Amino acid sequence: DAGVTQSPTHLIKTRGQQVTLRCSPKSGHDTVSWYQQALGQGPQFIFQYYEEEERQRGNFPDRFSGHQFPNYSSELNVNALLLGDSALYLCASSLTRAEAFFGQGTRLTVV
Amino acid sequence: EDQVTQSPEALRLQEGESSSLNCSYTVSGLRGLFWYRQDPGKGPEFLFTLYSAGEEKEKERLKATLTKKESFLHITAPKPEDSATYLCAVWTGGFKTIFGAGTRLFVKA
Repeated sequence: DAGVTQSPTHLIKTRGQQVTLRCSPKSGHDTVSWYQQALGQGPQFIFQYYEEEERQRGNFPDRFSGHQFPNYSSELNVNALLLGDSALYLCASSLTRAEAFFGQGTRLTVV
Repeated sequence: EDQVTQSPEALRLQEGESSSLNCSYTVSGLRGLFWYRQDPGKGPEFLFTLYSAGEEKEKERLKATLTKKESFLHITAPKPEDSATYLCAVWTGGFKTIFGAGTRLFVKA
């Protein structure tokens, strides 16, 4: 079992650009959540996808959007990047409302 | 507003020196509390789920307990490889999980 996999592992973008991060959930999991983790902070909930629909969104602007595919994999898109978007982006998968398992994260640096 | 607070922010122990990490929460209705371990630059690794006050879970040198207002992660005779950030998170029955800022644990040989 490969667990939750995320790509890429590291990314450097320029202010104003757009970025797409990808996540493959743990085998058998149907729910994907995305989190943003700033240095020294706990993960902050961005949104959750289930059955290709966004179920709930945290306190993030519309520049953050996502998608879930029929195979349960997911993408996180961020438009008009700001310096403050630099963080570790984490994907977590779960089976309905059970405990979540995280990927290794994508380190995004905006310059 | 739902809130999760972890203390201390950082904890330095000698190898073999047992201690406890605290996670206090103010939420509208706790449905589950999770503990995770996170190594630098990596994603959190799931440790325990606790669902009701009085519940306890153990794994190697770690033991998690839950009351109506807080949870403790007890570390018995820690080793240097236990050094990591320990995160607490609460689930209130919705679709999101609220994390604390974590406790950074350093264990010196």
